[in-house]
Amino acid sequence: KQEVTQIPAALSVPEGENLVLNCSFTDSAIYNLQWFRQDPGKGLTSLLLIQSSQREQTSGRLNASLDKSSGRSTLYIAASQPGDSATYLCAVEGGANNLFFGTGTRLTVIP
Amino acid sequence: DGGITQSPKYLFRKEGQNVTLSCEQNLNHDAMYWYRQDPGQGLRLIYYSQIVNDFQKGDIAEGYSVSREKKESFPLTVTSAQKNPTAFYLCASRTDAAGTYNEQFFGPGTRLTVL
Repeated sequence: KQEVTQIPAALSVPEGENLVLNCSFTDSAIYNLQWFRQDPGKGLTSLLLIQSSQREQTSGRLNASLDKSSGRSTLYIAASQPGDSATYLCAVEGGANNLFFGTGTRLTVIP
Repeated sequence: DGGITQSPKYLFRKEGQNVTLSCEQNLNHDAMYWYRQDPGQGLRLIYYSQIVNDFQKGDIAEGYSVSREKKESFPLTVTSAQKNPTAFYLCASRTDAAGTYNEQFFGPGTRLTVL
């Protein structure tokens, strides 16, 4: 069964710093990988989706990469802001309409 | 204003009681999903539906039931058979049209607490 791991579980950075969040998965036979943001007590907001044939996707200050062969994805956030503070989740789809989620990285950006 | 709505935001259940969580979407999406989120764990799939009048069990379907009578609605019933129902429940949807960008969109969630 697919297992998704996100390390670290929590991260604090000063405002303005660039940072990288990591996601690893055990089965490389995936259709896509999706990064989400979750604020406390709220639903998930989709940030980026990378199809299995793609290497990266960009949206504003966010850049997500995918290396299927090594089972890794990274989410790069440039010039972090306090408003970026949230939990970031990655999820991989391995078919059968099933998304496998990591437990998330809780990011705090300190003003 | 397109999106996914869930109600209620907070729900309290007594022992032995069935409760129903509502999920509605106006995105014209074919597929809908229910997930459960517990502290320290990733989201887990309860049920999903790819088309009206059809649904499939996910990883943790025991103690739950669903229906899909309309494309825009996918209610989840938490039955008394679910022994540990206290959790945050999230509904999601996406279009399953071939060749499209199959991003999942989530509702705001319902927090269920057993009294």
